[in-house]
This record gives sequence, C-alpha cells and structure tokens, in this order.
Amino acid sequence: EAGVTQSPTHLIKTRGQQATLRCSPISGHTSVYWYQQALGLGLQFLLWYDEGEERNRGNFPPRFSGRQFPNYSSELNVNALELEDSALYLCASRLTGNSYGYTFGSGTRLTVV
Amino acid sequence: DQQVKQNSPSLSVQEGRISILNCDYTNSMFDYFLWYKKYPAEGPTFLISISSIKDKNEDGRFTVFLNKSAKHLSLHIVPSQPGDSAVYFCAASPTGGFKTIFGAGTRLFVKA
Repeated sequence: EAGVTQSPTHLIKTRGQQATLRCSPISGHTSVYWYQQALGLGLQFLLWYDEGEERNRGNFPPRFSGRQFPNYSSELNVNALELEDSALYLCASRLTGNSYGYTFGSGTRLTVV
Repeated sequence: DQQVKQNSPSLSVQEGRISILNCDYTNSMFDYFLWYKKYPAEGPTFLISISSIKDKNEDGRFTVFLNKSAKHLSLHIVPSQPGDSAVYFCAASPTGGFKTIFGAGTRLFVKA
C-alpha cells in the first residue's frame, strides 16, 4: 500500500511569489490535513479537508489556502510568500471516522529567499 | 496559545537505560493522546496512543502514562536503543480526532 506522497520534496521561491504543494493520501483515506513545521517549532495545524470540503483551518492568514480534489488528493497554496513561510510542510491523511492516528507524508521543504 | 507543551527540547540517555519524555496539556476537551516519532527527512510516524479513560497503555518497550488531574502524560522507553534517537511529538485530540494539536517535540539522543 502506497503511503502519503508529497511533491515536490524541496521548493525554493523568492519573496512575493506563490508556492503550490501537493499531497496524495493513502488510498481510501478521505481526510487530508496540512501542518507547518517551522524551525524550532512543533507541528502547527494549517488546514483540514474532508470529502472535498474545507472543514477547519488553523491560525494562519488567508494567503494560505488549498483545496481537495474528487480523488481526495490535495493542494496547498501559499500566496505572497514571506521569509517566515520557510518551513517543512507536512500532509497527513486519515480514514474519516475510523481512527485518531494520522499517516504523514515526508513533507515539502519550502525555502523563501 | 500552546495547548500541548513539551518543555524539554532535548534529552540524552545512555543505551539500555530508561527514557522519559514529558508532555503537558491545557485543554480539558482533549480525550485522546498520541505520541509520534520523527526521523530526519521523514514524516512523523504514529508510535502509541492512550484514551482519556485509561491511565496507562503499553506496547513493547513503549509505555504511555496519563495523569488527567495534572493534565500530564509521559512516554517511557525501556530499554532505550540507539535507533530510538529521533524527535518525539506529543499530540492531543478532542473527541472525533478532527483536529490534533501537536507539541513542539523533544529530540531524544540515545548514546551507545
């Protein structure tokens, strides 16, 4: 069974640009979560998608947005990039209503210069 | 507002000894607690969990203890092995697990 896959692995952007990060959940998992891990900080909850709908979002500005496609894959978009957006972005999937544990991907390392 | 706190950024332990990682939480609505382990360049992987109706859960070398009155949980690893060297995240979820909150992590070094 393929795990959660994220692309790209690394992404370098300049300040003010837009970044698009992609995530494919485990087959059959309908919930996708996005977390940000900035240097020295824990995993900060960004967004939760389930069945194509945004269900909840963390304390991040509106320039962080995303969507979930009919095949349950997901995209995270970060507009007007700032230097402090440099972080590891982790995607996780979960079988809705089945368990509390998430399965994480390996993440996308975003560097804003 | 840090609802899940891991106050020790790092911990160093000798191989074969016990590792104890601590975690405190503030939200009384949390009813499920988890520990994840993360190696460099990999995503976190689920390690062990405990429901709020229990005070202890054991899985091999790993045991999680929950003290609800103190809003404190701990992860014990006995005996510690060099392969256990990783960052350990404490996490907590309200009923339904819809929004899991993670702590900042504790980096464990197990010396051979």
